Amino acid sequence: QSVLTQPPSVSAAPGQKVTISCSGSSSNIGNNYVSWYQQLPGTAPKLLIYDNNKRPSGIPDRFSGSNSGTSATLDITGLQTGDEADYYCGTWDSSLSAGVFGGGTKLTVL
Amino acid sequence: QVQLVESGGGVVQPGRSLRLSCAASGFTFSSHVMHWVRQAPGKGLEWVAVISYDGSNKYYADSVKGRFTISRDNSKNTLYLQMNSLRAEDTAVYYCAKDAPLITIFGYFQHWGQGTLVTVSS
Repeated sequence: QSVLTQPPSVSAAPGQKVTISCSGSSSNIGNNYVSWYQQLPGTAPKLLIYDNNKRPSGIPDRFSGSNSGTSATLDITGLQTGDEADYYCGTWDSSLSAGVFGGGTKLTVL
Repeated sequence: QVQLVESGGGVVQPGRSLRLSCAASGFTFSSHVMHWVRQAPGKGLEWVAVISYDGSNKYYADSVKGRFTISRDNSKNTLYLQMNSLRAEDTAVYYCAKDAPLITIFGYFQHWGQGTLVTVSS
């Protein structure tokens, strides 16, 4: 059971938009920055979003993050087949003094 | 460019020990917090441990506390994970990850290695 809660799967057609949610509590998302990671099949995770809503260089603006209270959201617009991957949210939990991840969301581009 | 190369994985019997290494290059290793993150086969990511830039602060996941030890040698640009009393549930790909600049203990996983597989089995 993960500390952060994500939907197991989401799907949408190419060109459409999808939203992936990440729910936590005041000890993690409520008081610490959230980051998002993309893991393509058979590869290491890659940073997509950091500090709730910032994109590293090289990440297209189709990917955006937001945060509200104890929840965070990753939006992906203009879906492409190459976006099919597992997506994870992560943050620090101040009560646990530990890093925490969501269980991951598998994105299918139909 | 940043490179993180893990090594030391393999097959080990339950109860035995293993030490993983992560060789870092392309950045000032001694200035960055470093992490270990693992992923069991077919499962999600699990944070394992973090160490501050100078090694003075360390935190662990409850699942490994008391059995695993994270350490670093800044003169060798290398991160370590000593894993003792291994269990079947420790079977996973282990990734080392570099944190962002100017972070004291946790920011985000800015760069990842390719991972090394640890299999605990008799």
